[in-house]
Amino acid sequence: GAVVSQHPSWVICKSGTSVKIECRSLDFQATTMFWYRQFPKQSLMLMATSNEGSKATYEQGVEKDKFLINHASLTLSTLTVTSAHPEDSSFYICSASSGTANEKLFFGSGTQLSVL
Amino acid sequence: GEDVEQSLFLSVREGDSSVINCTYTDSSSTYLYWYKQEPGAGLQLLTYIFSNMDMKQDQRLTVLLNKKDKHLSLRIADTQTGDSAIYFCAESRMIKAAGNKLTFGGGTRVLVKP
Repeated sequence: GAVVSQHPSWVICKSGTSVKIECRSLDFQATTMFWYRQFPKQSLMLMATSNEGSKATYEQGVEKDKFLINHASLTLSTLTVTSAHPEDSSFYICSASSGTANEKLFFGSGTQLSVL
Repeated sequence: GEDVEQSLFLSVREGDSSVINCTYTDSSSTYLYWYKQEPGAGLQLLTYIFSNMDMKQDQRLTVLLNKKDKHLSLRIADTQTGDSAIYFCAESRMIKAAGNKLTFGGGTRVLVKP
């Protein structure tokens, strides 16, 4: 299947700093990418839909100024957690769609963020 | 809104078949998916089925869809210890200009005993 690369795999940062997570579709172009958050032993919660060349669409309750999303090209979307706090510690996963009807959704390997 | 439910846990002996069940509420679902997640890793797409199909088989995996009852199942034949993981069911709706939007179930933790 298609490959979605996510970087970094894990990051530890101090409270108040910003962290950028990259999501790349390696062998296909993705006009739409999705960002999810997953707490331990829980399901994935959709945070936002990232559209190439336009503003991201955020789910209810997700702060757009806190979680900045940039989808500058057809193969790259970034999520920046600004002024991170311990409650932002979580597993963040991106996905990108492929297929003739965008029916195949492939996920990155995730980023474990720990804010001290 | 959309809701997807799964049982929390399944224990199975190596070599037996596993059946993971999922129910959903959105009758306008376009596709239904099964993903596998191992500890600390992302989600691996196992298989998916278009909502107007009722069965799909792919090697050891068989997906059954009962659209009337909004019930989806994944059968894993000859379950191996490497199949131990969390399995997520998801349904999608096509959102204009946004592609397929997924709603996930809570995940079923499958433990395969030797």
